[in-house]
Amino acid sequence: QSVLTQPPSVSAAPGQRVTISCSGSSPNIGHNPVSWYQQLPGTAPRLLIYDNDKRPSVIPDRFSGSKSGTSATLGITGLQAGDEADYYCGSWDNSLSVVVFGGGTKLTVL
Amino acid sequence: EVYLVESGGGLVQPGGSLRLSCVDSGVTFRSYWMAWVRQPPGKGLEWVANINQDGSIKYYVDSVKGRFTISRDNAKSSLYLQMNSLRVEDTAVYYCARKGLPDNWGQGTLVTVSS
Repeated sequence: QSVLTQPPSVSAAPGQRVTISCSGSSPNIGHNPVSWYQQLPGTAPRLLIYDNDKRPSVIPDRFSGSKSGTSATLGITGLQAGDEADYYCGSWDNSLSVVVFGGGTKLTVL
Repeated sequence: EVYLVESGGGLVQPGGSLRLSCVDSGVTFRSYWMAWVRQPPGKGLEWVANINQDGSIKYYVDSVKGRFTISRDNAKSSLYLQMNSLRVEDTAVYYCARKGLPDNWGQGTLVTVSS
């Protein structure tokens, strides 16, 4: 059971928009920034979003992040077949003194 | 560009030990917190431990406390994870990562604990 809750799977057609939610609580998302990671099959995770809504320069602006209260959301527009991957949210937890991750969301591009 | 390269994984029997290493090819290793994150086969990410810039502050997930030790050598731009009293449930790909909430990851090294 992960501290951060994500839907196990989402799907959408190419070109469409999809959102992935990440629900936490006060000690983690409520008081700390959220990062999002993409893990393509058989590869290491890579950073998509940091500090809730910032993108590394190599990440296209089709990817966006937002945070409200104790929840965060990853948005992906203009879906492409190459976006099929597992997506994880993560944040520091002040009560546990650990980094906590969501259980991951598998994105399928139909 | 940050390149993190892990080594030291392999097959070990329950109760055994392994030492993982991670070398950072960049020039800023000493400036960052570093972390180990693991991923059991077919499962999600689990943060294991992190360490501050001079090695004076360390945090561990409860399941590895007392068994794993994270350390670093800034002169060698290297991060380590000493794993003792290994259990079957420690089987995973272990990733070295830059920063406590990672922004760069290594390619991972597989640790298999089995008799």
